[in-house]
Amino acid sequence: KNEVEQSPQNLTAQEGEFITINCSYSVGISALHWLQQHPGGGIVSLFMLSSGKKKHGRLIATINIQEKHSSLHITASHPRDSAVYICAVPNTDKLIFGTGTRLQVFP
Amino acid sequence: ETGVTQTPRHLVMGMTNKKSLKCEQHLGHNAMYWYKQSAKKPLELMFVYNFKEQTENNSVPSRFSPECPNSSHLFLHLHTLQPEDSALYLCASSRGLAATGELFFGEGSRLTVL
Repeated sequence: KNEVEQSPQNLTAQEGEFITINCSYSVGISALHWLQQHPGGGIVSLFMLSSGKKKHGRLIATINIQEKHSSLHITASHPRDSAVYICAVPNTDKLIFGTGTRLQVFP
Repeated sequence: ETGVTQTPRHLVMGMTNKKSLKCEQHLGHNAMYWYKQSAKKPLELMFVYNFKEQTENNSVPSRFSPECPNSSHLFLHLHTLQPEDSALYLCASSRGLAATGELFFGEGSRLTVL
């Protein structure tokens, strides 16, 4: 079993839909990262959070430390949101990555 | 634009070739990383450098040889690679070690070994 599990693995949506991507982890952590990887390969850090909720534009990330679970929400999804979304958690001094959720948003 | 630049973006090499991947950051970060991303697998940490010193070698075969001449530059020297080494190689940097701070990634170097 992976220490970081994401669901779903693949997700398709129509433009405008509300999207939720989930991340569960089994190690104790100080903070969790959400990353976005576009088809070209480059990865961008979206959020690093250790409690509660963070919002940036149409993206919202929440974390429940007791339940070891985090969610990434996208409101009013757009085709340009199509990407792979990856969560990562630190274990000692390393990051452990989930396998990612591939999101495709169609017009 | 994340401030981390990788070259080349694409590389095709034979198993007997020697080539190098380059990573450069001018963000003032002290830690730099090489990650390997193979299809349908999570990112795998290969090497970590903190203040130019290698702090992690994640059981990487010796055909991959990292070099960190200063805090802004990181190389990955490749020789006698195997076809299964074909993957996307990502460089990243952070102010402190990744467990505690935000990571900044390059665009990646896609390597194909024939």
